[in-house]
Amino acid sequence: GDQVEQSPSALSLHEGTGSALRCNFTTTMRAVQWFRKNSRGSLINLFYLASGTKENGRLKSAFDSKERYSTLHIRDAQLEDSGTYFCAAESSGSWQLIFGSGTQLTVMP
Amino acid sequence: NAGVIQTPRHKVTGKGQEATLWCEPISGHSAVFWYRQTIVQGLEFLTYFRNQAPIDDSGMPKERFSAQMPNQSHSTLKIQSTQPQDSAVYLCASSLAANTEVFFGKGTRLTVV
Repeated sequence: GDQVEQSPSALSLHEGTGSALRCNFTTTMRAVQWFRKNSRGSLINLFYLASGTKENGRLKSAFDSKERYSTLHIRDAQLEDSGTYFCAAESSGSWQLIFGSGTQLTVMP
Repeated sequence: NAGVIQTPRHKVTGKGQEATLWCEPISGHSAVFWYRQTIVQGLEFLTYFRNQAPIDDSGMPKERFSAQMPNQSHSTLKIQSTQPQDSAVYLCASSLAANTEVFFGKGTRLTVV
């Protein structure tokens, strides 16, 4: 079946530094969404991309359907960025989102 | 915009009892989804409605689970004869249309004891 492989599973950053999360897809996906699960367990929408890149503050995401991957870059990490980040992709001809296993990000002082 | 509203936030049921979970999608959204989240399986798709009509229930367990959408402002997920393995966070989501950005509710944590 369709698979979304998300890495890394856990990431620790010091405040002010940055890194990237990645999702690889085993099949062509129509679109991708990135979410952050906050401390209350709510899924917060970060990005929705059908192609290309989007940027919002210190976050930037890219999606390449042909190469079957998406990335989420975080720069100048802050303590409040800590949480679990999920990518979720729609495969062509399907309605459902297929979720990655999540990246637990910890930002340290 | 209050977002997707799910009630109750927590529900504890005894094994064998019925559980009904409620969802109010974002006003104007025609697509409504149910997902289930467990530690072992992660987030899994259950079912999808479009304009209140059931479109895809391929993720629903064949027995004991049913979902309905009697009007555009609410959907229910019913689990009959609950079992401990049904314990999970059940998430409802909606989107303006099929294949557009999806917004999730805060979920209902179901615990079957």
